[in-house]
Amino acid sequence: DAKTTQPNSMESNEEEPVHLPCNHSTISGTDYIHWYRQLPSQGPEYVIHGLTSNVNNRMASLAIAEDRKSSTLILHRATLRDAAVYYCIPIWVDDKIIFGKGTRLHILP
Amino acid sequence: DTGVSQDPRHKITKRGQNVTFRCDPISEHNRLYWYRQTLGQGPEFLTYFQNEAQLEKSRLLSDRFSAERPKGSFSTLEIQRTEQGDSAMYLCASSLGGKWEKLFFGSGTQLSVL
Repeated sequence: DAKTTQPNSMESNEEEPVHLPCNHSTISGTDYIHWYRQLPSQGPEYVIHGLTSNVNNRMASLAIAEDRKSSTLILHRATLRDAAVYYCIPIWVDDKIIFGKGTRLHILP
Repeated sequence: DTGVSQDPRHKITKRGQNVTFRCDPISEHNRLYWYRQTLGQGPEFLTYFQNEAQLEKSRLLSDRFSAERPKGSFSTLEIQRTEQGDSAMYLCASSLGGKWEKLFFGSGTQLSVL
């Protein structure tokens, strides 16, 4: 069973880049790495996913280590609206997401 | 795109009462999931449907919990004889189905059992 490790919380200043790390040391070779985030009083929302290559979209970038044992979600210019809990999800059990506790990101004005 | 909607947003009930929550998924989505979330924890899987078929129910889920998805559209989650430990946010999500498909979540129903 793969173990996922994320810091409990992180802080960043507004308008600065944020790097959110995730370790998934026993991920299988075919599992995509997904990231979701949960804003206060909202359900989780999809952020990004990738398999081996680094990925970019309008919300964030995902950097995946060559050995796939870790990944980093990058917010290029954090705003106050990015304050949320970020979940790294390298494992789908059958067809369902299993969430961990995630990283609570605080943005300082 | 109307998104996933859940009703009610908040529910306060007395211990021992039954409650029912409704989820309306995105219209073309075949999969529908229910999760439960308590403070400081990530969402916990409860059950999911492919169209009207309930494919899996968490083994941790009490028999007091039941979910339906008649006709493969909206879904209801019922909790019978509520207990204080049932107090949580109940989240619904839908997707096109299959592994790796994005899940779209509603804003949840916050249940408080007094």
